[in-house]
Amino acid sequence: KNQVEQSPQSLIILEGKNCTLQCNYTVSPFSNLRWYKQDTGRGPVSLTIMTFSENTKSNGRYTATLDADTKQSSLHITASQLSDSASYICVVSATGFQKLVFGTGTRLLVSP
Amino acid sequence: GAGVSQSPSNKVTEKGKDVELRCDPISGHTALYWYRQRLGQGLEFLIYFQGNSAPDKSGLPSDRFSAERTGESVSTLTIQRTQQEDSAVYLCASSFSESGELFFGEGSRLTVL
Repeated sequence: KNQVEQSPQSLIILEGKNCTLQCNYTVSPFSNLRWYKQDTGRGPVSLTIMTFSENTKSNGRYTATLDADTKQSSLHITASQLSDSASYICVVSATGFQKLVFGTGTRLLVSP
Repeated sequence: GAGVSQSPSNKVTEKGKDVELRCDPISGHTALYWYRQRLGQGLEFLIYFQGNSAPDKSGLPSDRFSAERTGESVSTLTIQRTQQEDSAVYLCASSFSESGELFFGEGSRLTVL
């Protein structure tokens, strides 16, 4: 069964600190992996899209890694800001037409 | 507008009533998706359109749910005889191609009393 699991479910960190969110998946055949940020009451916004051949991708203070062999991805946030408080969703796409499998997200709270 | 637009942003209805939710995708985006997000939960896939066709309706939870898309543009998600468990945020997303980046709307929050 195609699944995406994220950990931790929730996380509280102090402003300025770094954190790493994890994503494990069993989606096959794999096409790409995406990380989205969803602010409360808003739609998700794309942070990164990674294909099979990409190991690392950065978007400002966000860096995503992908290990296609172990089927794991991480999202690292550097020098966190209060505006980073949101849910971070890992989404994996299977090949063929775009069948996306969503994780349930990690809720991050950045505290002053 | 430049983004995906959804309406209404909020809808409160009585159990048993029908509701229609609308999605205006980004112009030129051929792929359109509907998702449901219950409070504190992840996104559940409902239906996918490529052009005006729906090759994947597997996520529609019951025959009370239907969706259509016309002119390779606007899509409408209809929920008939609403139930309290239908209360959720319904999110629409579009992309230029099947494997392209998804752009989400802000969602329609449905509350069934």
